[in-house]
Amino acid sequence: AQKVTQAQTEISVVEKEDVTLDCVYETRDTTYYLFWYKQPPSGELVFFIRRNSFDEQNEISGRYSWNFQKSTSSFNFTITASQVVDSAVYFCALSEGGSYIPTFGRGTSLIVHP
Amino acid sequence: NAGVMQNPRHLVRRRGQEARLRCSPMKGHSHVYWYRQLPEEGLKFMVYLQKENIIDESGMPKERFSAEFPKEGPSILRIQQVVRGDSAAYFCASSLPGGPGGTPHAGANVLTFGAGSRLTVL
Repeated sequence: AQKVTQAQTEISVVEKEDVTLDCVYETRDTTYYLFWYKQPPSGELVFFIRRNSFDEQNEISGRYSWNFQKSTSSFNFTITASQVVDSAVYFCALSEGGSYIPTFGRGTSLIVHP
Repeated sequence: NAGVMQNPRHLVRRRGQEARLRCSPMKGHSHVYWYRQLPEEGLKFMVYLQKENIIDESGMPKERFSAEFPKEGPSILRIQQVVRGDSAAYFCASSLPGGPGGTPHAGANVLTFGAGSRLTVL
């Protein structure tokens, strides 16, 4: 069974602060995929990033970076120099290799104050 | 190139009425998913369908809920005799079959979501 835990329900920061959103997962599969989606106030979830279980290389894209550590079953997401437009609910998700159905965490609501 | 279209965006029903939520997948996508989002609970999987075929409905409540994805037309999530506890946002997502870019694993699929349908039961 696959499970995703996002322990942080809500995070509030001031603009330009760095913030890390935690994601811990559980799976028995050796092949799996991890995702982050963003849900802005408009409601539509938007895909951010996908990583597979064989690639632990961390990734950076502009102000966003992702830290994948199999040893701790974590796939954390860091926003550097946060902006008001980053305010949204962020979901971490997991799909086992042969499964069409991703499991989502509860989401972390990020509020960035000006 | 329209994305996933859901309608209605907002639906108000009284207890005991029926709710029908529609979802048109992204062009070229043949897989449709329905998720329900309740406050404090995140996204919960309900059902996964291909054209004319329910693949997995393990997340669907046993009674009052049904889903279809006909050969022609949108996917429909139907809730009969709604109760207040059905109030939630219902999200539809679609994906390509199989894995993208030659990846064999279904788990690699990226879901494209619609904007959701918010059901309020009075």
